[in-house]
Amino acid sequence: ILNVEQSPQSLHVQEGDSTNFTCSFPSSNFYALHWYRWETAKSPEALFVMTLNGDEKKKGRISATLNTKEGYSYLYIKGSQPEDSATYLCAFYEAAGNKLTFGGGTRVLVKP
Amino acid sequence: DSGVTQTPKHLITATGQRVTLRCSPRSGDLSVYWYQQSLDQGLQFLIQYYNGEERAKGNILERFSAQQFPDLHSELNLSSLELGDSALYFCASSLTGQGLTDTQYFGPGTRLTVL
Repeated sequence: ILNVEQSPQSLHVQEGDSTNFTCSFPSSNFYALHWYRWETAKSPEALFVMTLNGDEKKKGRISATLNTKEGYSYLYIKGSQPEDSATYLCAFYEAAGNKLTFGGGTRVLVKP
Repeated sequence: DSGVTQTPKHLITATGQRVTLRCSPRSGDLSVYWYQQSLDQGLQFLIQYYNGEERAKGNILERFSAQQFPDLHSELNLSSLELGDSALYFCASSLTGQGLTDTQYFGPGTRLTVL
């Protein structure tokens, strides 16, 4: 069973502070890592798809980096705002089954 | 709004019963995925269809089945329901069904409660 782990499980951040959290995945047979943002009472929304080692993607104040050799990706939120409060999910693409295996998510709560 | 629709939004039923969840993909998307989100587990991939054909299978129980129709909408059938089947069921759609880089757009989900 493939293991995709996210840490921490939850995070409280003061408005204006920056934060980051981790997604760990198998370093062998890497093809792609997806990041999703899931706000309460809404549905998961795609943020990034990352495929290359050393890749860095950015969307507004949110950015992500990828290290396929050691099997991790960081997601950063710069200058957190209350609207950044959400659960952030990473998903590892398994080529064998053409499917995404999701991590458990990091729940971020930004306090005003 | 992702453009993916799911009905019903909520469903309450009893153990042993059978229910059908429905999903309409975004306009132009050919592939549909079904996921289950239980309280104690992350998003679990169940099954994927592409243009009417099953493309990938995940941890889908034998009591569950799905299909994708010619108009591309999909239905997930859950039978002999157990308490443990209570969960949020998401449908997602994508353009090509190639999970490598294809973005999946999620619907609002169907909350199933089995009493």
